[in-house]
Amino acid sequence: DTEVTQTPKHLVMGMTNKKSLKCEQHMGHRAMYWYKQKAKKPPELMFVYSYEKLSINESVPSRFSPECPNSSLLNLHLHALQPEDSALYLCASSQVGHGSYEQYFGPGTRLTVT
Amino acid sequence: AQKITQTQPGMFVQEKEAVTLDCTYDTSDPSYGLFWYKQPSSGEMIFLIYQGSYDQQNATEGRYSLNFQKARKSANLVISASQLGDSAMYFCAMREAQMKTSYDKVIFGPGTSLSVIP
Repeated sequence: DTEVTQTPKHLVMGMTNKKSLKCEQHMGHRAMYWYKQKAKKPPELMFVYSYEKLSINESVPSRFSPECPNSSLLNLHLHALQPEDSALYLCASSQVGHGSYEQYFGPGTRLTVT
Repeated sequence: AQKITQTQPGMFVQEKEAVTLDCTYDTSDPSYGLFWYKQPSSGEMIFLIYQGSYDQQNATEGRYSLNFQKARKSANLVISASQLGDSAMYFCAMREAQMKTSYDKVIFGPGTSLSVIP
């Protein structure tokens, strides 16, 4: 199973809402990632989890709160977002270590903040 | 700091023809790796091919091959016999080893939009 799943596929939320994005993989990968991607731009790294511990936070605003409850799941909690946060949010996973390990991406969640 | 350049914002290719997508990179690390990803309009990033800096031969995966010229710091993707389903964004990316950690960061180039014409 080389699949990374993400739910929901689409999300529309107001600036005062609280919502969560979910990501799941069953490939035994111990590194998981959140990326933000604006239209016609490359993905931008937000967070990296390694062995369920937050390893990188790329200066992401606190209205984005990641969580890794276990080795298969990764959540992104959203609160008080701004319209400029509207984007495609991609989750990825990979083997841990330095080498040729490609990242496997999920289909993404298209988020619209109104 | 590492950097990836893709100078072709958009490309067109006739169906069944070959196409080359350009990628140049800049790094001072002797050990690095280069990836190509495809992103259809649906949004999912699909891994295509990988080339390590110490690999002696150019990587190939089916219709995809990587023209790796280390001295010129280029890693161009060649797609042979283009198909309509190849229409997508293509990103060149480089892994950046994170010292004292167990993972690598991956940085992406700006991408090239490929359109295959029937």
